[in-house]
Amino acid sequence: DAKTTQPPSMDCAEGRAANLPCNHSTISGNEYVYWYRQIHSQGPQYIIHGLKNNETNEMASLIITEDRKSSTLILPHATLRDTAVYYCIVRARYTGTASKLTFGTGTRLQVTL
Amino acid sequence: GAVVSQHPSRVICKSGTSVKIECRSLDFQATTMFWYRQFPKQSLMLMATSNEGSKATYEQGVEKDKFLINHASLTLSTLTVTSAHPEDSSFYICSARDLGGRSTDTQYFGPGTRLTVL
Repeated sequence: DAKTTQPPSMDCAEGRAANLPCNHSTISGNEYVYWYRQIHSQGPQYIIHGLKNNETNEMASLIITEDRKSSTLILPHATLRDTAVYYCIVRARYTGTASKLTFGTGTRLQVTL
Repeated sequence: GAVVSQHPSRVICKSGTSVKIECRSLDFQATTMFWYRQFPKQSLMLMATSNEGSKATYEQGVEKDKFLINHASLTLSTLTVTSAHPEDSSFYICSARDLGGRSTDTQYFGPGTRLTVL
């Protein structure tokens, strides 16, 4: 799997949009960008994934640059409950062997009042 | 999203005993499940990949005789920590791979099991 680079920490005021960047300059053509988050002492929670088009669901939006070398996860209206470590992971899908998720150190997002 | 459960959520045991952790996919079938370990203030580290009906594949450095994995059905995988020692104390998390439906090959994680070995 390609490696990703994320800032170690970010702060965001409650109610504002949180924009979490991720660099994945060595991503391959068949690799998707996945985002997970981990709230303290819980298992990771799936947020969203995409290949090259921007994606939106009830939790967040994912913006992928045209060259696919970077992406941004957007939480449109951050709340205190969004405080967590956010992981950006690239992996291929539907490969013959199980597609492993390799977790880096992620971005620790602190949402404040 | 799909739901994955783990049991127990927390376990304390004496050194030398064995502990079994269960991972279940509740609303989908998972031919592949994964086991991770997470030490305090560190990221998740993959321990092994569990495929239904076959032997697990262990990551380098993980002792397969110490961490026994069984994936007997499409909804259940178990991790047994044999002869546990204090250094095995950690947060163990499983995930299940959902290949069907709208999730299109996404892994969903259980809530984790906190193991403390005294």
